[in-house]
Amino acid sequence: QAHLVESGGGVVQPGRSLSLSCVASGFTFSSYAMFWVRQAPGKGLEWVAVISYDGSKKYYADSVKGRFTISRDNSWNTLYLQMSSLRVEDTAVYYCASPGHSGDYYYPIDWWGQGTLVTVSS
Amino acid sequence: DIVMTQSPDSLAVSLGERATINCRSSQSVLYSSNNKNYLAWYQHKPGQPPKVLISWASTRESGVPDRFSGSGSGTDFTLTISSLQAEDVAFYYCQQYYGTPQMFGQGTKVEIK
Repeated sequence: QAHLVESGGGVVQPGRSLSLSCVASGFTFSSYAMFWVRQAPGKGLEWVAVISYDGSKKYYADSVKGRFTISRDNSWNTLYLQMSSLRVEDTAVYYCASPGHSGDYYYPIDWWGQGTLVTVSS
Repeated sequence: DIVMTQSPDSLAVSLGERATINCRSSQSVLYSSNNKNYLAWYQHKPGQPPKVLISWASTRESGVPDRFSGSGSGTDFTLTISSLQAEDVAFYYCQQYYGTPQMFGQGTKVEIK
């Protein structure tokens, strides 16, 4: 049974940086692509980024491109999201997620963490 | 980018009645080489992570009640709840996973009338 646990959320001022982590267990992390998906208060789900199983491919939503960096450490079964130049509109619950199918990321998202809240406020 | 547009934004349906949610993509999500539509439907309840209900536009995920069904192809898709139950009150999202960014629709809120 896949288990994803996010951490690193909190309150941060606009323009500052914050790093999120997601520890995975219950599956062979190094074989699966991983996503970050977020939900701002009162808003819908927003796809943020994806990283391939080996870290060689990364794609971002236009809203975070150039400011956020997705990465992974397969030795530690950990996914990261480095967020910089944070804006008020980045306030959201950030979910770590996986397609639940090994290989590439052209699959629906089967596995989700519980999410971590990031609040960008002065 | 493939933009997903859902309709309606919200709907209220009586218990036991049918609920229908539509989703349109700005370009086709049908991959011709395997004839699969790269379209999923999710249910999202407050305080919980989303749950995938339907993948490949019409394949019900394991454990999902058969009152949930998906249909459509190319750019137009539908999620149908054939007989609404109290536990189905939630937000529902379509998502294309044909190409990055794998965008979600804006969501549809389903309530009991």
